[in-house]
Amino acid sequence: NAGVTQTPKFQVLKTGQSMTLQCAQDMNHEYMSWYRQDPGMGLRLIHYSVGAGITDQGEVPNGYNVSRSTTEDFPLRLLSAAPSQTSVYFCASSYSIGANNSPLHFGNGTRLTVT
Amino acid sequence: AQKVTQAQTEISVVEKEDVTLDCVYETRDTTYYLFWYKQPPSGELVFLIRRNSFDEQNEISGRYSWNFQKSTSSFNFTITASQVVDSAVYFCALRRGNTPLVFGKGTRLSVIA
Repeated sequence: NAGVTQTPKFQVLKTGQSMTLQCAQDMNHEYMSWYRQDPGMGLRLIHYSVGAGITDQGEVPNGYNVSRSTTEDFPLRLLSAAPSQTSVYFCASSYSIGANNSPLHFGNGTRLTVT
Repeated sequence: AQKVTQAQTEISVVEKEDVTLDCVYETRDTTYYLFWYKQPPSGELVFLIRRNSFDEQNEISGRYSWNFQKSTSSFNFTITASQVVDSAVYFCALRRGNTPLVFGKGTRLSVIA
């Protein structure tokens, strides 16, 4: 019963490096999203997708790119990492964005440090 | 715009005390959903409860209870007879229609033995 799987769990980058945070779910969920969690800031939405081929920006999209080529995968790309992107990143999915019987299922998070 | 306010940043209680976590929300929609999530020290996010705007019935699940009051736009969470395992960060969240979930900033609860 995998649910939402995020890799890696930990990552250290240098300023300017690029990387992709992976997120995969095996529940056939249409809706997927990325949040970042910073101390005192709660969870803030970066990008989300309501289905394959469809993505949209959340509250804090700058510096991040996403794509959704399959229902299962929703990778988050940092093109040029900055120290301000040091955070814990959570991927989450649900059956659909508006399904009132479908709470968000979260991955275990990726802790990213940018030096 | 929608907004969730958790005014209590940190709460500390002694084991077996009751504690209430406050959540106040803002939305102009008549149809919306409210949620509570728990984040224990291990870091994962655990869904606790969902309530839609048409159901103001309070809910009790073991030592947990939720009080939804549309008149005050509040969805408060009470833990009765708190235990050390209740120590966590608790998030209240709001979703209206077909829009993403918006979270409050969370309340860190510490239960001391």
